[in-house]
Amino acid sequence: AQSVTQLDSQVPVFEEAPVELRCNYSSSVSVYLFWYVQYPNQGLQLLLKYLSGSTLVKGINGFEAEFNKSQTSFHLRKPSVHISDTAEYFCAGEVFGNEKLTFGTGTRLTIIP
Amino acid sequence: NAGVTQTPKFQVLKTGQSMTLQCAQDMNHEYMSWYRQDPGMGLRLIHYSVGAGITDQGEVPNGYNVSRSTTEDFPLRLLSAAPSQTSVYFCASSYQRHTDTQYFGPGTRLTVL
Repeated sequence: AQSVTQLDSQVPVFEEAPVELRCNYSSSVSVYLFWYVQYPNQGLQLLLKYLSGSTLVKGINGFEAEFNKSQTSFHLRKPSVHISDTAEYFCAGEVFGNEKLTFGTGTRLTIIP
Repeated sequence: NAGVTQTPKFQVLKTGQSMTLQCAQDMNHEYMSWYRQDPGMGLRLIHYSVGAGITDQGEVPNGYNVSRSTTEDFPLRLLSAAPSQTSVYFCASSYQRHTDTQYFGPGTRLTVL
């Protein structure tokens, strides 16, 4: 079973509307969770990460995510999106006992003017 | 700091040819890794290294070799290229562990004919 699951491959959103990108993780994944963003023709860049402590994590560019242990989720949210948020977003987590991250399949966020 | 650099940016190979993708970082990071990115599959870890002289396999290591003779460099070798290795390859580095922020290079787009 996929360790980190991103259910939505594409999410279209109108400019200035809120957005939520969903990420769920399996029990084989530890509580180290990440969101990375990939702008067109670029490498990945860290948006935010949860390692411990407060379950609400704030990242760059106005994004935030909430770690929910009971629902095994780590959804990414932004209250008002901008054209410049057009990108692909990847959720990632560590599989227990491994020195490596496993990535979800990505969600392509398209902002509609 | 140049960050993480990768060469070449584009490469076309014929089946059976070998080549080396170069990756270098100037941030004195211990942890380095290679991923491949394929449509609909996210990023998959090929090999990683936790320090000079130490390498280990990731999720999809077959057909690839790595070495880490210095902290700065982490080349990826394709031994005998196959069309299934057509992909975009990303190198990443982080301070000490995979849970530290990973910094990604710009990628190498490889096509195997």
